[in-house]
Amino acid sequence: LAKTTQPISMDSYEGQEVNITCSHNNIATNDYITWYQQFPSQGPRFIIQGYKTKVTNEVASLFIPADRKSSTLSLPRVSLSDTAVYYCLVAVTGGGNKLTFGTGTQLKVEL
Amino acid sequence: EAQVTQNPRYLITVTGKKLTVTCSQNMNHEYMSWYRQDPGLGLRQIYYSMNVEVTDKGDVPEGYKVSRKEKRNFPLILESPSPNQTSLYFCASSLLAGAPDEQYFGPGTRLTVT
Repeated sequence: LAKTTQPISMDSYEGQEVNITCSHNNIATNDYITWYQQFPSQGPRFIIQGYKTKVTNEVASLFIPADRKSSTLSLPRVSLSDTAVYYCLVAVTGGGNKLTFGTGTQLKVEL
Repeated sequence: EAQVTQNPRYLITVTGKKLTVTCSQNMNHEYMSWYRQDPGLGLRQIYYSMNVEVTDKGDVPEGYKVSRKEKRNFPLILESPSPNQTSLYFCASSLLAGAPDEQYFGPGTRLTVT
């Protein structure tokens, strides 16, 4: 299983772009990269998923370089409501259905 | 409304008193799992189930049991709880078992074992 490493915490201000990088050096060919967001006292919720290059949705963008050993979640113009813990998850397609979340990145957005 | 429900949401118990935390999903999902969340340790998977009668250990299964007799339910059983099982527990489900499908999480159960 690919182990993930993320910064423990990040601080930002409203209106700025925030980039959170996740390292997954031993990612396998069939692994996908998924990001989740968790607010206090709530369960995590899906943000975005990708396999390679760039994926964008209404909430975020996900950048994955060619070697796929890292990925970057980009949150454009953050607001106070984006203060949360962000988890990077590398998941195996096909067999092997154990899911290993990392310790997450606590993002704090201030005025 | 599509959702994962857990009961109870809060539970305080004593060491050794068996307890069950229920989890139910109404989305006809194949895959269900349990996680515990502790400060500084992130989310750690306890057990998962790929379908009815199919369960397997996650990263921290010691002290826990699960069963999957029906597709929608996946209870977590602590036969003899200990203080080190004080934690925030989340149940999750996803449509498919064999792919990195989007996980839908329940609201959490905060367990305190004294």
